[in-house]
Amino acid sequence: NAGVTQTPKFRVLKTGQSMTLLCAQDMNHEYMYWYRQDPGMGLRLIHYSVGEGTTAKGEVPDGYNVSRLKKQNFLLGLESAAPSQTSVYFCASSLSGRALSSTDTQYFGPGTRLTVL
Amino acid sequence: DQQVKQNSPSLSVQEGRISILNCDYTNSMFDYFLWYKKYPAEGPTFLISISSIKDKNEDGRFTVFLNKSAKHLSLHIVPSQPGDSAVYFCAANFAGANNLFFGTGTRLTVIP
Repeated sequence: NAGVTQTPKFRVLKTGQSMTLLCAQDMNHEYMYWYRQDPGMGLRLIHYSVGEGTTAKGEVPDGYNVSRLKKQNFLLGLESAAPSQTSVYFCASSLSGRALSSTDTQYFGPGTRLTVL
Repeated sequence: DQQVKQNSPSLSVQEGRISILNCDYTNSMFDYFLWYKKYPAEGPTFLISISSIKDKNEDGRFTVFLNKSAKHLSLHIVPSQPGDSAVYFCAANFAGANNLFFGTGTRLTVIP
């Protein structure tokens, strides 16, 4: 049981390049999330999914796209990277959107550190 | 608009003493509150939670207090240990929400 895994762990991009971050979970969770963490800003929700084939915008969706073609995978895409997207990206998953207990909580991956030059 | 706020970006405490981390919220619809702990180069992990029908929840050295009238919650760690040094995030949600609302985090350093 690997939990939530993220690929890659580190990446450096040039402005205008594109890339896809992959998140995978093996807990059969319905809900999956992409966050970014910036100094002084905490965790901000980019996009989320409430089930296979669904996606929804979070607090800071601009410049990102997502897809959830398979229940266990949630992909985050940057079509044209900008320096403002330099951040640490976290994926998370949960059984429900309420995360009301120590077992039904959001489980996070280890993060992807992205630098855009 | 930050609905969950942690106004202290950092806190230093001596080993064995009490650590108190604070969190304020603005949305009166929030009815469930959580604390997550994050070590460097790792994702956040769930620490403790509290429902709005309670004003206190305890788990070992960790206690969360909720003051609904003040829209304030706090996490107490007693006694503090060096291994508690981490960033602590407060989070909240409400019925019908599909996600958690996180605060900006407080970096706790426990000095041996």
